[in-house]
Amino acid sequence: QKEVEQDPGPLSVPEGAIVSLNCTYSNSAFQYFMWYRQYSRKGPELLMYTYSSGNKEDGRFTAQVDKSSKYISLFIRDSQPSDSATYLCAMSRSNDYKLSFGAGTTVTVRA
Amino acid sequence: EAGVVQSPRYKIIEKKQPVAFWCNPISGHNTLYWYRQNLGQGPELLIRYENEEAVDDSQLPKDRFSAERLKGVDSTLKIQPAELGDSAVYLCASSLGFGANVLTFGAGSRLTVL
Repeated sequence: QKEVEQDPGPLSVPEGAIVSLNCTYSNSAFQYFMWYRQYSRKGPELLMYTYSSGNKEDGRFTAQVDKSSKYISLFIRDSQPSDSATYLCAMSRSNDYKLSFGAGTTVTVRA
Repeated sequence: EAGVVQSPRYKIIEKKQPVAFWCNPISGHNTLYWYRQNLGQGPELLIRYENEEAVDDSQLPKDRFSAERLKGVDSTLKIQPAELGDSAVYLCASSLGFGANVLTFGAGSRLTVL
């Protein structure tokens, strides 16, 4: 079993819909949780960064971390065609900077 | 700022041939990483440098892969000889260093081994 599991998708939604992305993990030592966005033929870029449990909002994006359930989520409100990309969750321990990535979920927002 | 620069962007070689990838990190970033991303998968760490020292190379297949980071700036990742299973995107990333796990990735070098 992989350390980080991510819903495989792909997801196809109409413009304006809410996109919900999720990851589960098995290592209770993870403290830092990230979401990266990767456009086709590009490298991943950091979208959201969260420490420990709780919610974080940035514009149309909301990241949630539930450490008790070992479950993290990313919500995209009012989705746009420009949000079409692969979204990767990533996490690391507090004293170790090796990131463990999920496999990624490919999202297509239809105009 | 140019970001993390990688070259070449694409490389097609036949198996058993050598190949090398180059990375120029963001200025001032002491930590440099090489990741490999297979199709449909997340990136997996190959090696991490703190300045010119390789501090984590446990996932680097040392029989055929080698890396160097001379003068603690640019880095080169080499594969010799390449195998079919090495086809992947090789991503370079950098960060400020100790206490910073926010990585900036380059666009990657896509390797196809025939």
